[in-house]
Parts: sequence; structure tokens; C-alpha cells
Amino acid sequence: TQLLEQSPQFLSIQEGENLTVYCNSSSVFSSLQWYRQEPGEGPVLLVTVVTGGEVKKLKRLTFQFGDARKDSSLHITAAQPGDTGLYLCAAIAGGTSYGKLTFGQGTILTVHP
Amino acid sequence: NAGVTQTPKFQVLKTGQSMTLQCAQDMNHEYMSWYRQDPGMGLRLIHYSVGAGITDQGEVPNGYNVSRSTTEDFPLRLLSAAPSQTSVYFCASRTSGNSPLHFGNGTRLTVT
Repeated sequence: TQLLEQSPQFLSIQEGENLTVYCNSSSVFSSLQWYRQEPGEGPVLLVTVVTGGEVKKLKRLTFQFGDARKDSSLHITAAQPGDTGLYLCAAIAGGTSYGKLTFGQGTILTVHP
Repeated sequence: NAGVTQTPKFQVLKTGQSMTLQCAQDMNHEYMSWYRQDPGMGLRLIHYSVGAGITDQGEVPNGYNVSRSTTEDFPLRLLSAAPSQTSVYFCASRTSGNSPLHFGNGTRLTVT
């Protein structure tokens, strides 16, 4: 059973479109992280959200942590080909701040010029 | 900064062979972990360690052993390789709290 459920698994869109990726769970988390991975490399952290209801912006990327700290979303405005990659959400289970980090299945995003 | 260094980058094994995937970090991170990445499965945790001398199992530990004799090194051992262990393996480290995981560039393992 996957602790974190990401959707959709695949997204193929045209440059300029908007998109949202979801990360859901039945568990409560002390924090949730979003990573981006490019082919042949390890994932790189985009953002960490800690407070329920928190919204963080990173240029055209907007991250939201659910009020109950069980879910999160990543919204990309006016997607560009450089946004292409694998997006992963990750969280530490059990409400602890120092423990094993579990990842969702990932969303493969392809942005066509 | 070297960060997290994994070796080798590629490896082909025959079923039943053993090998060790090396991982070293120079950031003095207490927490280190091993993940495997398979299509459609995201990253699955194999083993992790919260400090030298301390290791624990993740989601998919069977067929793998780890040890943590120093803060810097966290090798992953495959005792008897199986085709199901064909995957890309990532080592990662971090400090405590909400700090980010720092990943190596992965080892692509094929077991025939």
C-alpha cells in the first residue's frame, strides 16, 4: 500500500498550459516535500511545506499543503519545456521530524514546445 | 563540494552473484538511506540509518544488507542477485528535521 498517492501518473501538455499535480494520503504529516528529477540524475528538492494551509510560490510553481496536513498540490502556470521532468512528493510518516522519508509514485510531466 | 558519491554508475550481474554498491557523503549528515527506483513505482526505501552503528529497514529490505561503521559511508550489499533487483539505486543523505535529501546520481543495476 502506497503511503502517498500521486496523480496523475503522466501529464503531456503544450507550452503555455497550466497543470496541477496532487499528492494525497490518509496519514498526517509533520511536513511534506516536493522534488524534481531529470533523467540520469537524482531528485532535487523544490520546496518543503510545514504548516497546514501553507502556500509557497517558486516562480511559476505554487505549492499548497492541505489544512489537515494530509495532502498537497503543485500547480504550474504557463508551463515551459524546461519544466519537463519527474515530480515527486515525499513525507515523513508518523508526525515525527526525523525518520524515514517516503515518496509517492511520481508524475512524469512532458511539456511540448 | 562532492556531496553524495555513488559507485559504480553501471553494473551488470548474473543471477546469484553478490556485490556492494558504495555510497559516501562529505556533508557530515547523520541520516543516510538507500532507495530503488522502478518505472511507475517512484522511489522505494530499502534501508536507512540515523547515525553510525544504527540501521533500520525500509519498505523493501529483502535481499539487501547495509552497515554504517562511519558517518560518511553507507554501503548496500546484494547477497545473491536476482533479476527482480534490476533497478536504479539511489543513495541519499540529510540532516535532521525538514532538511532536504541530497541524492547521488544513481547506480543502474541489471541482473541477468
